[in-house]
Amino acid sequence: AQSVTQPDIHITVSEGASLELRCNYSYGATPYLFWYVQSPGQGLQLLLKYFSGDTLVQGIKGFEAEFKRSQSSFNLRKPSVHWSDAAEYFCAVGAPNFGNEKLTFGTGTRLTIIP
Amino acid sequence: GAVVSQHPSWVICKSGTSVKIECRSLDFQATTMFWYRQFPKQSLMLMATSNEGSKATYEQGVEKDKFLINHASLTLSTLTVTSAHPEDSSFYICSASGGENYGYTFGSGTRLTVV
Repeated sequence: AQSVTQPDIHITVSEGASLELRCNYSYGATPYLFWYVQSPGQGLQLLLKYFSGDTLVQGIKGFEAEFKRSQSSFNLRKPSVHWSDAAEYFCAVGAPNFGNEKLTFGTGTRLTIIP
Repeated sequence: GAVVSQHPSWVICKSGTSVKIECRSLDFQATTMFWYRQFPKQSLMLMATSNEGSKATYEQGVEKDKFLINHASLTLSTLTVTSAHPEDSSFYICSASGGENYGYTFGSGTRLTVV
């Protein structure tokens, strides 16, 4: 069975500082990997996804993530955070089977930005 | 890109009543839709997968008689919470897939409060 672990429940960074959110997954083959962001009371916005190819994936809002098969990781990074990045971030894994795209989510990491 | 619309955004209902939540694919035909549930400050859990014209597949532990899912057309799936109770209060969110659109785009979610 597939699973996702986000080790950090809550992270606080200063505005302008760099950010890395950790994500480890368990899956039998090469999975589809995702990062979503959720603001309070809002839905999920897809930041980026990895299906195959280049292991460094660029997303929206200046985010990027790197797939490392040897470490079963898909960490999210941003070189300089903005106050508007404060939100909940979810890593998710899915099976690469079209029509069966149910996702398994991690427990989320809450990001707080301090001025 | 794929757009998934969900309605209503929030709803308050009395215990014992039923509530219907709609999930629509606006610019593509969704052969499959996924319904997730999110408890406060927790992650998202898949409730069920619905395929157009057939019965939904429910995840283990989800009561199919309480959470009725109908996917009668290629653009609309509905989730009806029957005889709602306060413990059903949650955030419900859907995603849809079809054509060239994988099911990784979510609706904006529905916050259900049962009083």
